[in-house]
Parts: sequence; C-alpha cells; structure tokens
Amino acid sequence: GQQLNQSPQSMFIQEGEDVSMNCTSSSIFNTWLWYKQDPGEGPVLLIALYKAGELTSNGRLTAQFGITRKDSFLNISASIPSDVGIYFCAGQGYGGSQGNLIFGKGTKLSVKP
Amino acid sequence: ETGVTQTPRHLVMGMTNKKSLKCEQHLGHNAMYWYKQSAKKPLELMFVYNFKEQTENNSVPSRFSPECPNSSHLFLHLHTLQPEDSALYLCASSQVFGLEAFFGQGTRLTVV
Repeated sequence: GQQLNQSPQSMFIQEGEDVSMNCTSSSIFNTWLWYKQDPGEGPVLLIALYKAGELTSNGRLTAQFGITRKDSFLNISASIPSDVGIYFCAGQGYGGSQGNLIFGKGTKLSVKP
Repeated sequence: ETGVTQTPRHLVMGMTNKKSLKCEQHLGHNAMYWYKQSAKKPLELMFVYNFKEQTENNSVPSRFSPECPNSSHLFLHLHTLQPEDSALYLCASSQVFGLEAFFGQGTRLTVV
C-alpha cells in the first residue's frame, strides 16, 4: 500500500531560525496537505496543494508540491515559540480508496526562546 | 475555533462499559471520518461516511460501531474495549469526499 515517509522525526531549533521538513511517497499523490497539531488538540490544516510544482505560502509557512508528485516540503521562516507542535503531511493518491488521506508520522518541532 | 466539535474531550471507561463518542460539524460538509491516533503511529482511518452512507471500514474491530444519522452528526459507539484501544479519537469532515479534512479537537480515551 501507499506509504509516506516524513522527516525529520523531531527538530530542536532556536527562535528565529528557519525550519524545513519533507515527506516522500512510494507512489504518486494528487493532493498534499500539511497540518499542525498542538498538544491535546486535533490537527489544523495549514496548507493544501493540488498541482505538481505548486508553491503556496501562508504567512511564514511555505509548502511545495514536488514535480514528481511523490514529495512535498514545508518551510517555516523565522520560527517563534508558538510554532511548537507536531507537523503532519498527508497525501491522497490515485486509485484504491480515494477517500483515504495517508498521513506521515509527524515532525515534532521544539523552539527554544 | 473549529467547525467540528467532539464530545466528550476526555473519557475513561472500563472494559465492560458501553460509551459513545459524538461529533458534530457546522461546516455543511458531506463527508465525515473517524481516525485513531496512537503514540508514535500515523493517524489511522477507521470509518468514512459520505452523504450518510458508510463507504469505508478499515478492518476495524466490531467493538467499535459507527453511526451517522445525518451529514452533520457522527457517533462512535464503544463496547467491551481493550486497554490497547486507549488513544486520541479524532473526527473530521470534508466538503467533498476525499479532499482536505477539517478535524475536531479529539476525544482522549483511556480504557482501564
């Protein structure tokens, strides 16, 4: 079945630094989504990508849908303490159960003031 | 503020209990989902409802029983659970089946 590899698993950075995380798939996806989850809360959608090569920004966040359709990255610029949380990528592939979003295992971000 | 509301937020139940989780979405979406989130594992899709019809059951044990009386409400009925069923149970909805999902805050379930 389709699998997502998300890396890194965790990051410890200094406030003000830029952050980059990515997801790769074993097969082609037609949608990539990035979510953030705070402790004890549900994931919140940050960015949605629908076209290969698409680059989309949401404030200090930028995400791209890879040209090969098998990868996506999320960048956070000038990190702040409230960026702390777990970031998940999710993708929807072709065929099979089309309603299924496949989730990565998450990248846990810690920001030191 | 989320348009998807889950109750209760926390639940502790014994293995012989019967309880239900409730989800309500105020977004006018047509698809609703139940996910299970366990520590160090990816989100696991459990059930999918599209226009009130169940379209997906990802090999979920029968001790979990979903119910979708209308497009705005989704329930997960629980009975004779096991301690390994302890997890965060998340409800989500989407405008169109399979597109971006919006999540509720989850119910933290502990089975003792």
